[in-house]
Amino acid sequence: DGGITQSPKYLFRKEGQNVTLSCEQNLNHDAMYWYRQDPGQGLRLIYYSQIVNDFQKGDIAEGYSVSREKKESFPLTVTSAQKNPTAFYLCASSVAAGVRNNEQFFGPGTRLTVL
Amino acid sequence: QKEVEQDPGPLSVPEGAIVSLNCTYSNSAFQYFMWYRQYSRKGPELLMYTYSSGNKEDGRFTAQVDKSSKYISLFIRDSQPSDSATYLCAMMDTGRRALTFGSGTRLQVQP
Repeated sequence: DGGITQSPKYLFRKEGQNVTLSCEQNLNHDAMYWYRQDPGQGLRLIYYSQIVNDFQKGDIAEGYSVSREKKESFPLTVTSAQKNPTAFYLCASSVAAGVRNNEQFFGPGTRLTVL
Repeated sequence: QKEVEQDPGPLSVPEGAIVSLNCTYSNSAFQYFMWYRQYSRKGPELLMYTYSSGNKEDGRFTAQVDKSSKYISLFIRDSQPSDSATYLCAMMDTGRRALTFGSGTRLQVQP
């Protein structure tokens, strides 16, 4: 089965802790993305990566960090600096991040709750 | 003002109705337009993808783009209860390498 997997599905964190959300794809896509979704709001871009060992900040990168050491993996760390981390986090990938082949396909999401 | 505006709904229709979902946008550089369907607590799935102006049809779904009015639409014919979901529009310009999303419209199709 080809697709994007995210784990865990649900994650609980205490205030002041860092947590890492996993995203893996076996679609051989070059580009990967992290979005955050809050109730009643659209998706907001956190970080994206066009190629291995390269990534760019999105609109709301503060308090988050990423790495892209492998083509198929793009983990997101939510740090204690993120003031309001409770949200639904979505990972996506596309063939490329250019003007063509940019249809993005999404994983099932991770729901993070800060206690 | 948000770059992409979308009525949040909920929009409630009877089964078999034609549904019209819309987004307006302010960035004239947007060239690529997409519609995603998202069921509760799931990731969005891509429904339609169009480039520039015009219409595109796929089964019961038709996407329209009117760049002169900065307005896009998704029509669903013969709506089914299984179409009940949140519909998100998304757009990309040629300079930025990521999508800008609307906030989503929640659709309920009553059997």
